[in-house]
Amino acid sequence: AQSVTQLGSHVSVSEGALVLLRCNYSSSVPPYLFWYVQYPNQGLQLLLKYTSAATLVKGINGFEAEFKKSETSFHLTKPSAHMSDAAEYFCAVSGGDTGRRALTFGSGTRLQVQP
Amino acid sequence: DGGITQSPKYLFRKEGQNVTLSCEQNLNHDAMYWYRQDPGQGLRLIYYSQIVNDFQKGDIAEGYSVSREKKESFPLTVTSAQKNPTAFYLCASNTGTGGMVRERQPQHFGDGTRLSIL
Repeated sequence: AQSVTQLGSHVSVSEGALVLLRCNYSSSVPPYLFWYVQYPNQGLQLLLKYTSAATLVKGINGFEAEFKKSETSFHLTKPSAHMSDAAEYFCAVSGGDTGRRALTFGSGTRLQVQP
Repeated sequence: DGGITQSPKYLFRKEGQNVTLSCEQNLNHDAMYWYRQDPGQGLRLIYYSQIVNDFQKGDIAEGYSVSREKKESFPLTVTSAQKNPTAFYLCASNTGTGGMVRERQPQHFGDGTRLSIL
């Protein structure tokens, strides 16, 4: 079955430091990949998506992610963390070798930003 | 502005009681989804509907029921058979003109309903 693994349930960085949140997927066929952000007691907001066009995808709020087929990865990065980036981040996939139309989510990574 | 409205924001269920969570969208999306969120487990799919009057079970459908009588609405009922209903429930929708296209479209989410047991 298709799955998504997010390494690190909690990540802490200093303000201004690089943010790196890891996501690996398992699928023999490249799926569609998404990163969402969730603030406390709110729904999910789309950060960016990979749908088989450019492998480096730029999203909102200065985030970007690179699709690497050889590593089955789609890690999320931001060059300089801001206090407002503190939230929970979810990687999700659809399509792939199951053709699944609904999203399969990773377990999430909570990002803390220290002043 | 178009979006997804979930109500109520907080809901309490008594033992043996069924409760219904509302989800309404004005995005003209064909597909709608219900997810359950538990701490440390991400989101899990309960039910989804690709079109009016049709819906399919997701990964954790036991103890839940849905209906899709209108394009705009996809209510979720948490029945008494769901023994551990305490969770954050999220409704989502997306568009697509065919089965292969829909997977490419990002889902839009409501702000959720938090369900607790009294």
